[in-house]
Amino acid sequence: DTEVTQTPKHLVMGMTNKKSLKCEQHMGHRAMYWYKQKAKKPPELMFVYSYEKLSINESVPSRFSPECPNSSLLNLHLHALQPEDSALYLCASSRRGSEGGDTQYFGPGTRLTVL
Amino acid sequence: SQKIEQNSEALNIQEGKTATLTCNYTNYSPAYLQWYRQDPGRGPVFLLLIRENEKEKRKERLKVTFDTTLKQSLFHITASQPADSATYLCALDKGGFQKLVFGTGTRLLVSP
Repeated sequence: DTEVTQTPKHLVMGMTNKKSLKCEQHMGHRAMYWYKQKAKKPPELMFVYSYEKLSINESVPSRFSPECPNSSLLNLHLHALQPEDSALYLCASSRRGSEGGDTQYFGPGTRLTVL
Repeated sequence: SQKIEQNSEALNIQEGKTATLTCNYTNYSPAYLQWYRQDPGRGPVFLLLIRENEKEKRKERLKVTFDTTLKQSLFHITASQPADSATYLCALDKGGFQKLVFGTGTRLLVSP
């Protein structure tokens, strides 16, 4: 299985809602990532988990809260978002957790709209 | 400041021709450079990785070059097909820790 799955595919939420995005991989990868991508822009790194520990937080606002319950699962909890947070949220994984030169496998993304 | 720039305009070529995409960077010393393809509304898909001590890498119709002196990578698709139409992203990896920084992307359109 060489797939990263993400649910839901689409999400519409109000600014007062709480929701979660889910990502799953069964490739035995040790690093998992959240990216945010706005239209016609490249993906921007938000968080990295390496061996289930948060290793990089790219100064993301606290209304985004990541969680890695186990080595196959990655969640992104959303609370009190702003309309400018509307974007495609991509999850990725890579085999090694602490070295460079590793390719990343991306999921299809969750299209988030904040009203 | 650090920058990774790719052709900002879409690249239009005819089927069968070679497409050449450019990735230029400043204020980076990447140990690796990767190329990804992204279709609309989908996640990027890995294509090729080249190390700083490699000049060229090939895979089927794809070729990547990496010039650390010029701070530039070129990505070539030979015998291009309409199915190659997509946005192509270069990504720099400093090594030591897996953190990719993506370029601005180039949209390639291959006409029949």
